[in-house]
Amino acid sequence: DGGITQSPKYLFRKEGQNVTLSCEQNLNHDAMYWYRQDPGQGLRLIYYSQIVNDFQKGDIAEGYSVSREKKESFPLTVTSAQKNPTAFYLCASNISPQGLGGYTFGSGTRLTVV
Amino acid sequence: KQEVTQIPAALSVPEGENLVLNCSFTDSAIYNLQWFRQDPGKGLTSLLLIQSSQREQTSGRLNASLDKSSGRSTLYIAASQPGDSATYLCAVMILTGGGNKLTFGTGTQLKVEL
Repeated sequence: DGGITQSPKYLFRKEGQNVTLSCEQNLNHDAMYWYRQDPGQGLRLIYYSQIVNDFQKGDIAEGYSVSREKKESFPLTVTSAQKNPTAFYLCASNISPQGLGGYTFGSGTRLTVV
Repeated sequence: KQEVTQIPAALSVPEGENLVLNCSFTDSAIYNLQWFRQDPGKGLTSLLLIQSSQREQTSGRLNASLDKSSGRSTLYIAASQPGDSATYLCAVMILTGGGNKLTFGTGTQLKVEL
């Protein structure tokens, strides 16, 4: 079955530590996205990539970094510069590089700072 | 700046009722609108995608309508079931010069009771 796989499902980070969230898709979609979801707020865009080896900042990119070395993979690193990283992180993809089709989402990673 | 509002924030209905969820947006120049369902602790599942040129889309017991000029969309759920209990999110896409943007509402949390 085609879809998006996010791992791990739960992740715990110590203060000052960098952690990487995995996102893999086998849909052959061009565009991939990272969103952050906090209680009572709409999803907010962190980074997105329209094609391999290219990505752009979203609305809340500070303290995060990404790479897009393969079409299938779009990992997100939460760095120590992100002061409030506890949240639910969702990866998404779109067949259109411009994001004009329907979006497909992964099952999410819940990150908690301990 | 596009703002998306969903009212009510929470809704509880008895099984079998027909119900309507509302989504309003401030910028009517949208490209498309998508309705999603989110179960607790899970990712988003796409329900319906409506292009700006369309008035409605139907899938099973779900019907979504779009009135671009008034900045509104409704999701109609017929004969509700306990399995419909979830948070329903709408998201609108607008075209921008520097990367098209999907803006989410904060959702309506639906509980269908036996």
